[in-house]
Amino acid sequence: QSALTQPASVSGSPGQSITISCTGTSSDVGGYNYVSWYQQHPGKAPKLMIYDVSNRPSGVSNRFSGSKSGNMASLTISGLQAEDEANYYCSSYTSSSVVFGGGTKLTVL
Amino acid sequence: QVQLVESGGGVVQPGRSLRLSCAVSGFTFSTYGFHWVRQAPGKGLEWVAVISYDGTDKYYADSVKGRFTISRDNSKNTLYLQMNSLRAEDTAFYYCAKDLPRYCRGDSCYLGGGLDYWGQGTLVTVSS
Repeated sequence: QSALTQPASVSGSPGQSITISCTGTSSDVGGYNYVSWYQQHPGKAPKLMIYDVSNRPSGVSNRFSGSKSGNMASLTISGLQAEDEANYYCSSYTSSSVVFGGGTKLTVL
Repeated sequence: QVQLVESGGGVVQPGRSLRLSCAVSGFTFSTYGFHWVRQAPGKGLEWVAVISYDGTDKYYADSVKGRFTISRDNSKNTLYLQMNSLRAEDTAFYYCAKDLPRYCRGDSCYLGGGLDYWGQGTLVTVSS
């Protein structure tokens, strides 16, 4: 149950696109299509943004998209907005456990 | 609307026990699995445990296995986390979260690992 690897921080200007990577192993990210992404603003509960690698829950902006290749998943946010500044976490479900990434702080410049 | 409300947090001495509760409303509680996730102040998310819709399947993180027990009472729409032999490193906000199922068959929804609704969390502080 080792944590997935994410960059500690990323940044971008309003209107730009950014991508956050999430690296695991063949036992988690690479072995299952159950990768999720969460957004968390300070002092708030996490919010599901992407599930099953690339699906968006109802109400989540289509500026958020997910993908996966091998043992690495990615979250892309296009048309960055100030409200996107938050911490982002990936997770992978393995049928008997969930493992999270360490989190990435997104700064909108 | 969907609501998950945690309670039971507080300050507890190392080695002691605490039971957290999560009251759920807004959907059919007995149909879905649920997770506990924790977050130490200023740190990242750590998955703690999951329970299936009927309570037959329970899985735990290695860090809490043998000390924590997840359970549910479908008649009360409530999820629980019994925490024994608490350690300083268990200090965290504890969140309950609904599982986004892989698929559902009738009134039974099978774990999918996404967490689509979260409570606001309850703080557990383990300190002497």
